[in-house]
Amino acid sequence: DADVTQTPRNRITKTGKRIMLECSQTKGHDRMYWYRQDPGLGLQLIYYSFDVKDINKGEISDGYSVSRQAQAKFSLSLESAIPNQTALYFCATSDRTLTGELFFGEGSRLTVL
Amino acid sequence: AQSVTQLGSHVSVSEGALVLLRCNYSSSVPPYLFWYVQYPNQGLQLLLKYTSAATLVKGINGFEAEFKKSETSFHLTKPSAHMSDAAEYFCAVSSGSARQLTFGSGTQLTVLP
Repeated sequence: DADVTQTPRNRITKTGKRIMLECSQTKGHDRMYWYRQDPGLGLQLIYYSFDVKDINKGEISDGYSVSRQAQAKFSLSLESAIPNQTALYFCATSDRTLTGELFFGEGSRLTVL
Repeated sequence: AQSVTQLGSHVSVSEGALVLLRCNYSSSVPPYLFWYVQYPNQGLQLLLKYTSAATLVKGINGFEAEFKKSETSFHLTKPSAHMSDAAEYFCAVSSGSARQLTFGSGTQLTVLP
């Protein structure tokens, strides 16, 4: 089983619908992240959480919200999806060491029609 | 502030030829530097990392990178390309107390038979 699991792996939805992407991890890490990947833009940070009570906005948080339900679970919500939120979304984790190394899930591909 | 520039969004090499993927960074404090690889339909996995020890870093699958402070570079090399090396490669930098990663825009490596 993967250390960082994302569900769903693929989702097609319509404009205006609410969508939730879920992430769970078995690495025991405190820190969890949501990134968005678009072709040619690399990865952009949406939200990050250093522990259950510490949630922070990343560089592109508008239109997104998150919930840290437990140390191992971090979900990303799109309250009202729009077509330019079509992208590949990654959850990642890291521990408290100084390097910042990230461990990634396999991604959730979201298409908003 | 920190940033990463990857020169060349697409690089093609022949099988057996040298692979060179370029990465330059900007950081106001000593950085940690990473190369990640993304195979089709998969998440990112760590290839190698520089964390202020040896400036020449060896990673998985025969890749290595050299940290050059004077040139603010961390280029990725492999002496002989293999078809299985075809993937997208991301350079990333972390610095500061939070050690959050900032990613470059990625380089798609194609290996020609």
